[in-house]
Amino acid sequence: EAEVAQSPRYKITEKSQAVAFWCDPISGHATLYWYRQILGQGPELLVQFQDESVVDDSQLPKDRFSAERLKGVDSTLKIQPAELGDSAMYLCASSLGTSGPGQYFGPGTRLTVT
Amino acid sequence: EDKVVQSPLSLVVHEGDTVTLNCSYEVTNFRSLLWYKQEKKAPTFLFMLTSSGIEKKSGRLSSILDKKELFSILNITATQTGDSAIYLCAAGNNRKLIWGLGTSLAVNP
Repeated sequence: EAEVAQSPRYKITEKSQAVAFWCDPISGHATLYWYRQILGQGPELLVQFQDESVVDDSQLPKDRFSAERLKGVDSTLKIQPAELGDSAMYLCASSLGTSGPGQYFGPGTRLTVT
Repeated sequence: EDKVVQSPLSLVVHEGDTVTLNCSYEVTNFRSLLWYKQEKKAPTFLFMLTSSGIEKKSGRLSSILDKKELFSILNITATQTGDSAIYLCAAGNNRKLIWGLGTSLAVNP
């Protein structure tokens, strides 16, 4: 069964360092999402891509976060410099289109900033 | 402002009980409502609902949408300890999904 791949699964970094996450969506899924989820809360959308274009990055802290999907397939999310408050689960999801039939999530990257 | 509200926030039941989880939404140009189950990992997709009054079922889980009253419910019958998880509801238009905070369900043996 096709899955969304993410790496690394866990990352510990010191504050002020740079960190990057990678996501490979399900083949053929044009829409890719990066979410941040803090324990006990629902996912918070950071950025949404349609193919290689950014559709929504209104909640992305652009002073330190950046995301790209250069060829419209896999994507990277970068944080520089990392802050203590960035500790969270970073989830990547993909879907065929923007309106469903539902987003499929990768296993996530658990980031701890010390 | 678009929002999704889930209730209750947490629930503790015994095996065999039936539970009903609620999700109300206010989303501009609403298109669909989705339910996800999240254990100690990423959310897994359960249902997508787009039409009122049509029940979706998968085993002991079922869900229905009321587009007039702007809510959905997720029912779980004959609960098992493996149903313990956070159940997330998300409502979307053609651009984005708005997520609720989730209902934490604990099923005790």
